This record gives sequence, C-alpha cells and structure tokens, in this order.
Amino acid sequence: DVKVTQSSRYLVKRTGEKVFLECVQDMDHENMFWYRQDPGLGLRLIYFSYDVKMKEKGDIPEGYSVSREKKERFSLILESASTNQTSMYLCASTGDGANVLTFGAGSRLTVL
Amino acid sequence: DAKTTQPPSMDCAEGRAANLPCNHSTISGNEYVYWYRQIHSQGPQYIIHGLKNNETNEMASLIITEDRKSSTLILPHATLRDTAVYYCIVRGGFQKLVFGTGTRLLVSP
Repeated sequence: DVKVTQSSRYLVKRTGEKVFLECVQDMDHENMFWYRQDPGLGLRLIYFSYDVKMKEKGDIPEGYSVSREKKERFSLILESASTNQTSMYLCASTGDGANVLTFGAGSRLTVL
Repeated sequence: DAKTTQPPSMDCAEGRAANLPCNHSTISGNEYVYWYRQIHSQGPQYIIHGLKNNETNEMASLIITEDRKSSTLILPHATLRDTAVYYCIVRGGFQKLVFGTGTRLLVSP
C-alpha cells in the first residue's frame, strides 16, 4: 500500500559530490513537493511542481534543483553537496488542488 | 498567510483523550485548518482538516471555535502509538503548506 516511495532511506556522500534523490508516487497526483527537515526548524519547502516539466521555488531553493520529466517522478538534485545540506529530505504529493499531502518515508542524507 | 501558535509539548496518559490546541487568530474566511502528525523517523501523516464546522474521522475530531480563531484536535483514546509531533496548518485554496515546529505529544502508560 506504499504510495510515495523515496529511493534511498539513508545516504552518505562526500562534499562536492552530485546527489540525486528520487521520489515516485503511484496516485496520479499533479503536485509534488520536496521538503527538508532539521531539528528545531520544522519542515522547509525546497521546490514544488504543479505538472510535468513545471517547477516552482519554495522557501529554500539555493543549492538545489529539481526535475519532473514524468508525472509520477520528482527528483531533487544537489549539484555539489555541502555539509550544510546534511538533513532529512521528505517528498510529498497531492492531487486535485487539495492540501492533503501524502509523504514518503524520507531520505536521510549525510554529507561528509 | 495566517500563522498558527501551538504549545511546544504536551503529555497525555494512555487511554485518556488528548486535546491539542492551536491558535490562528489571523485566519481568513477561505482558509482551512489542517492537522498532520509525524511519528519519529517517518514522514508526516495527514489527520484531518476543516473550514468552520467540527469534523470527525477514524483518527480524530477537529473542533473549530465559532470565530475560527482557534481549534482543538482531539484524539479520543490516546495510545502509545499516538506519540508524535502534531502540526496545525492554516491554508486557503491550493497553496504550499508551511509546517511549523508543532506540538510534541508524549503518551505515557
């Protein structure tokens, strides 16, 4: 019954590496989101997408890019990972213009 | 954007009702109140939402005051598995949801 799947639960990367975080949803949702979560800061929106090939910056897009080539897949890209990007990354999706998000289990990234 | 205020933490005994408050005094007429929760090491989970009427589903009840400036999420019979961070969010239409730091609910035996 898994609906939003994040490809990696735990990743360890080195500073300067290019990192891909993949998210796939099977609910035919139009809207997909990437958040990061850090202690004391709550969830912060990085990027979101209303449709295939569409993307919008969230509150903290610096250092990140995204790709949405297919409706079911939304990728978060760290072009050159830095230690301050060590965090929990959460993907979510929603359809029909609603605010009822379904989240994935999260990807915990450590950048050394 | 309407902002919300929640207590940082609350305790509840197992089997008792957990009542989680949220203040949203600047809420606009077309803004809904959403509640999510996040159990440790998992992604947030949608619980319930409402506009002005009280709402109930299999997980919880949502009570919104008549002036809509505050609301309460009620877990009628809290269990240990309800220990989580609970987020109250106010949004209208389709907009990106902004999660604050929420209320950490600890349910104890």
